[in-house]
Amino acid sequence: QQQVKQSPQSLIVQKGGISIINCAYENTAFDYFPWYQQFPGKGPALLIAIRPDVSEKKEGRFTISFNKSAKQFSLHIMDSQPGDSATYFCAASALQMAGTASKLTFGTGTRLQVTL
Amino acid sequence: NAGVMQNPRHLVRRRGQEARLRCSPMKGHSHVYWYRQLPEEGLKFMVYLQKENIIDESGMPKERFSAEFPKEGPSILRIQQVVRGDSAAYFCASSPPGQGKPEAFFGQGTRLTVV
Repeated sequence: QQQVKQSPQSLIVQKGGISIINCAYENTAFDYFPWYQQFPGKGPALLIAIRPDVSEKKEGRFTISFNKSAKQFSLHIMDSQPGDSATYFCAASALQMAGTASKLTFGTGTRLQVTL
Repeated sequence: NAGVMQNPRHLVRRRGQEARLRCSPMKGHSHVYWYRQLPEEGLKFMVYLQKENIIDESGMPKERFSAEFPKEGPSILRIQQVVRGDSAAYFCASSPPGQGKPEAFFGQGTRLTVV
């Protein structure tokens, strides 16, 4: 019940295309869903996050779509660029009272390659 | 405002030695989390600490692993009598106290190699 399932495992997209990564969860206590970007040899960097009270959040070229009833959420990268080539992790957390951070449960990652 | 600082970045230990990994959270952050990442895998939660307290250690192996976050100084993840299976990247994350601040920020990690 604590798992977060992520797909696809790897993704190749042409420059300018849309990259879509999907995640699903089981634990209904999860109420915070961030996405992290990780380059080789680096730590994960927070990209964008969503709470379940909204169905979509957009920041620049990155959009999270959230479906509470289906317990699914996805990351869309519009106009994908070679610099976006990295591994992307979805995560989920059951926040503490007053919205304070708690431990994250991560998906297994998607390796994105954006080709010229 | 410096980010989460971890050291060393790379650590090589022989089987049976002790490994000490250090993490200094971002300024103003009082919550520290340790995660382990095996090659080609996602991050697995190990332990969550606040100053001088272990809040959640449900992901910590029962033996050889311990963590602390003293009142002064960095958080320490200690692995005693390391084995080859401990080889991994260990990441520390920190988050601020207070309401409505769920974001966790990660350090660059310590890559432990046990030979």
